[in-house]
Amino acid sequence: DIVLTQSPALAVSLGQRATISCRASQSVSISRYNLMHWYQQKPGQQPKLLIYRASNLASGIPARFSGSGSGTDFTLTINPVQADDIATYYCQQSRESPPWTFGGGTKLELK
Amino acid sequence: EVQLQESGPGLVKPSQSLSLTCSVTGYSITSNYWGWIRKFPGNKMEWMGYISYSGSTSYNPSLKSRISITRDTSKNQFFLQLNSVTTEDTATYYCARTLVNGWFAYWGQGTLVTVSS
Repeated sequence: DIVLTQSPALAVSLGQRATISCRASQSVSISRYNLMHWYQQKPGQQPKLLIYRASNLASGIPARFSGSGSGTDFTLTINPVQADDIATYYCQQSRESPPWTFGGGTKLELK
Repeated sequence: EVQLQESGPGLVKPSQSLSLTCSVTGYSITSNYWGWIRKFPGNKMEWMGYISYSGSTSYNPSLKSRISITRDTSKNQFFLQLNSVTTEDTATYYCARTLVNGWFAYWGQGTLVTVSS
């Protein structure tokens, strides 16, 4: 299985940039496609797709969210952070199936 | 708009089977892929498997001997059955729509299933 590693938590100030990282145990890229995706989850809600294929913004997601990376290292950036962005963020890979796998989640907190 | 809704018992006894239904509106399950994901207490998320537009299935190898995903196209529903559950299967279960490239664009609200005697 491809293991995805995320830092458990990140503290940021409102209006600042948040950078959340995800490292894969092996490459999740095929040709020009980077099969890494990002989700936001707030307590009591279902996950929401933010970014698909590493850098593509999902429908209805604000432009302050962006994604980058290839191979084994990926980043979700929120700039500027707003109060509504306080949540847990997960990466997920679909390079290898089965199984598709998720990272352990990064909880975004306010400083 | 695609909407998914999970339903089923919230409490299951150890060694019994867990059975959940995902009811889909706004989109036919004879297109795309339809999966189950669960989130354990403590935030770990696990992809369990999916059923495709054609009815083929793919399962997480960690569950392969216990899991079955089926569908009823006439009701636009798909189902999860997990056999021989233990307390380790206590989780919030989500159904979701995915594409072949594997991201989950639409999710149900989730249903908490507790395995306890």
